Amino acid sequence: GAGVSQTPSNKVTEKGKYVELRCDPISGHTALYWYRQSLGQGPEFLIYFQGTGAADDSGLPNDRFFAVRPEGSVSTLKIQRTERGDSAVYLCASSLGTNNEQFFGPGTRLTVL
Amino acid sequence: QKEVEQDPGPLSVPEGAIVSLNCTYSNSAFQYFMWYRQYSRKGPELLMYTYSSGNKEDGRFTAQVDKSSKYISLFIRDSQPSDSATYLCAMNNNFNKFYFGSGTKLNVKP
Repeated sequence: GAGVSQTPSNKVTEKGKYVELRCDPISGHTALYWYRQSLGQGPEFLIYFQGTGAADDSGLPNDRFFAVRPEGSVSTLKIQRTERGDSAVYLCASSLGTNNEQFFGPGTRLTVL
Repeated sequence: QKEVEQDPGPLSVPEGAIVSLNCTYSNSAFQYFMWYRQYSRKGPELLMYTYSSGNKEDGRFTAQVDKSSKYISLFIRDSQPSDSATYLCAMNNNFNKFYFGSGTKLNVKP
């Protein structure tokens, strides 16, 4: 079956612009996670959804970052007023529940010029 | 101090060698320990998952957890060039928030 998909695969934007990154989880997976991975680092937790609600958003670095999952499936990570330091690979993962294996997507590589 | 420390490598070994990868951590509440493999420009994929202390074996891979020392290891036997990737350890005390190491880059030379 299809895995986790993320679009776009690459996004180049200018400082100060707004971007949206999309994640399509595996069908039926209720849990969805967003991570940020900087070059040479491991993934850094941003936010976790159980169904439609954000169960833990403690990893969002500041109020420029926001994520939604309105129907409990697709999720969008939104970044306002982008800064050069936001450049990273943004990874999405999904799992059947909170005690199951996380399946990662290929990531969206964001470059802020 | 980071929650999880991992030597970034790179680690270069000949084909057939035994590889040892390690992580240390500071939070004694961590109970779930995982190893992921990440190929270039791909998302991480789960290799091994261990709950609490002990050993777990799966084919050429063995994961060890020593909670008293806050130290986990992944051993790869009979390493293959296809094992060349970055290996990430991850851990948490519930399934909401995972803490990852920075990854060790492994190169297995034919």
